[in-house]
Amino acid sequence: DAGVIQSPRHEVTEMGQEVTLRCKPISGHNSLFWYRQTMMRGLELLIYFNNNVPIDDSGMPEDRFSAKMPNASFSTLKIQPSEPRDSAVYFCASSFDTGGDEQYFGPGTRLTVT
Amino acid sequence: GQSLEQPSEVTAVEGAIVQINCTYQTSGFYGLSWYQQHDGGAPTFLSYNALDGLEETGRFSSFLSRSDSYGYLLLQELQMKDSASYFCAVKGGGNKLTFGTGTQLKVEL
Repeated sequence: DAGVIQSPRHEVTEMGQEVTLRCKPISGHNSLFWYRQTMMRGLELLIYFNNNVPIDDSGMPEDRFSAKMPNASFSTLKIQPSEPRDSAVYFCASSFDTGGDEQYFGPGTRLTVT
Repeated sequence: GQSLEQPSEVTAVEGAIVQINCTYQTSGFYGLSWYQQHDGGAPTFLSYNALDGLEETGRFSSFLSRSDSYGYLLLQELQMKDSASYFCAVKGGGNKLTFGTGTQLKVEL
């Protein structure tokens, strides 16, 4: 059974470029979460979806960040334009609402903005 | 809002027992989770406590006291592979998790 799939695993881009991170949750899970992890700020929740609907985007740092979930098996996190301070590891996680309390994390995308 | 405190680093020897504490202040609380993260890896779920008391899963146990806003993770019979970062996380409404800053555990021979 495949876990959460994220792509790309590594992304290096120049400041000002658009970056799109992709996530495929575990089949059957109906909650999806985007996190950012840095040494300075730790693991922060950016946004989460339930049944493809954004529920809480209070963690999205600014308007340069946007996320979509067009269907139950795909989500994107877009940064436009990117800045060096966006450099971090971005994790996607999924869970099943009425199941256990475990969130299943993908392998992450390591983003470097130069 | 939520705030969680846990020690930044703990060192112990192989075979020993170690306890990682977590205190929290929250505006909404449904339970306390623990996650393990190895360097370069993704967080993986260890345990969840919604009610007061001790939950045991193999070598790992987790404890919660809601009245004290306090919990801990207990690791027994430490192994080298247990060297990792351990995060406590408060579950708020809608399955939302707020993570602590993490405790780096170093297991030495």
